[in-house]
Amino acid sequence: DVKVTQSSRYLVKRTGEKVFLECVQDMDHENMFWYRQDPGLGLRLIYFSYDVKMKEKGDIPEGYSVSREKKERFSLILESASTNQTSMYLCASSLGLTDTQYFGPGTRLTVL
Amino acid sequence: KQEVTQIPAALSVPEGENLVLNCSFTDSAIYNLQWFRQDPGKGLTSLLLIQSSQREQTSGRLNASLDKSSGRSTLCIAASQPGDSATYLCAVWTGTASKLTFGTGTRLQVTL
Repeated sequence: DVKVTQSSRYLVKRTGEKVFLECVQDMDHENMFWYRQDPGLGLRLIYFSYDVKMKEKGDIPEGYSVSREKKERFSLILESASTNQTSMYLCASSLGLTDTQYFGPGTRLTVL
Repeated sequence: KQEVTQIPAALSVPEGENLVLNCSFTDSAIYNLQWFRQDPGKGLTSLLLIQSSQREQTSGRLNASLDKSSGRSTLCIAASQPGDSATYLCAVWTGTASKLTFGTGTRLQVTL
């Protein structure tokens, strides 16, 4: 079975802090994705990566950056956290770009 | 721009009933449609993926249909059980957008 893990289930940070969210998958998937999920807005794509060191912006990349130095690991970075980045963050991976996406358990981030 | 709608937003049914969840999308130029389940505070679990050339996919008590020309999909759950209680999301992979677009989900409660 595909396993996608995220570094934290819950995280509380202060405004202005730099925040790192990590995602690791164990199935040698080429593609990895970061989403945020907010009530009434659904899941929105922040960034995705189709190969090591490759990245593409999604719908809402502002205020975020990503890093993929190794195939299994995809990090989301909030350069200077703000209260409007309080959300549930979900990571996913897939073998082919349009294939089934497998999700991690999510990180609920609160920015105070 | 692809838009995905799921109606109703919430549904409550008694145990044992067969039920149908609806998903509609505005742009019929899709590669596939995916159904997911999400338990409260958790990540998404993939249920079924239907390719654009397919009309139907089945997995156990779940049956998903796709009518690409009318922009509609249904997820049927047979003999519902309390353990089926969750939010069900559909998502379409649109070629022009190169990403999954999610609906906001239907929250299902199966009562004893």
